Amino acid sequence: AQTVTQSQPEMSVQEAETVTLSCTYDTSENNYYLFWYKQPPSRQMILVIRQEAYKQQNATENRFSVNFQKAAKSFSLKISDSQLGDTAMYFCASVSSARQLTFGSGTQLTVLP
Amino acid sequence: GAVVSQHPSWVICKSGTSVKIECRSLDFQATTMFWYRQFPKQSLMLMATSNEGSKATYEQGVEKDKFLINHASLTLSTLTVTSAHPEDSSFYICSARLAYEQYFGPGTRLTVT
Repeated sequence: AQTVTQSQPEMSVQEAETVTLSCTYDTSENNYYLFWYKQPPSRQMILVIRQEAYKQQNATENRFSVNFQKAAKSFSLKISDSQLGDTAMYFCASVSSARQLTFGSGTQLTVLP
Repeated sequence: GAVVSQHPSWVICKSGTSVKIECRSLDFQATTMFWYRQFPKQSLMLMATSNEGSKATYEQGVEKDKFLINHASLTLSTLTVTSAHPEDSSFYICSARLAYEQYFGPGTRLTVT
């Protein structure tokens, strides 16, 4: 079984600053994918970034990047130049051959003006 | 990108009545869809996996007779909450799987009075 742990229930960051959200996971699979989803107040789940476990290079999407440490089973999300629109709940998730997502408990990020 | 719609976006029903929620993949075919329930400030809780043309697989603790799932086509899955009670009030989210990714609907807020 897969588990995903987010140890930071809430975080805040000043606008234009950088923030890192932590996530650790556990899996016995060799082939898996990791994701960060954003859920703004509208509650629509939005995919922020994905990482294939077999790729060593960290994924990057504009202001969002990950630090994927496979041996440590760590998958943190860095948001650069934080914007007010980044205020949301962020969920880390994993999927493997079982094909269903396992979510972490979420981190509520507030960007302060 | 892949789009998933969900209808209705919100519904209020009286205790003892049934309500149906539809989940549609608009621009791709999905043999597998998922239904989640989410309480405020919590993570998504998987209720069931819906497979086209076969019976849904329910997670432990989810009453299959109360939450009826039908996946009649490759683009439509429905969740029917039967004999709804106030404790069924929640936010319900569906997703459709495409390869290793899931695409989420905007959710349905159910209020049972």
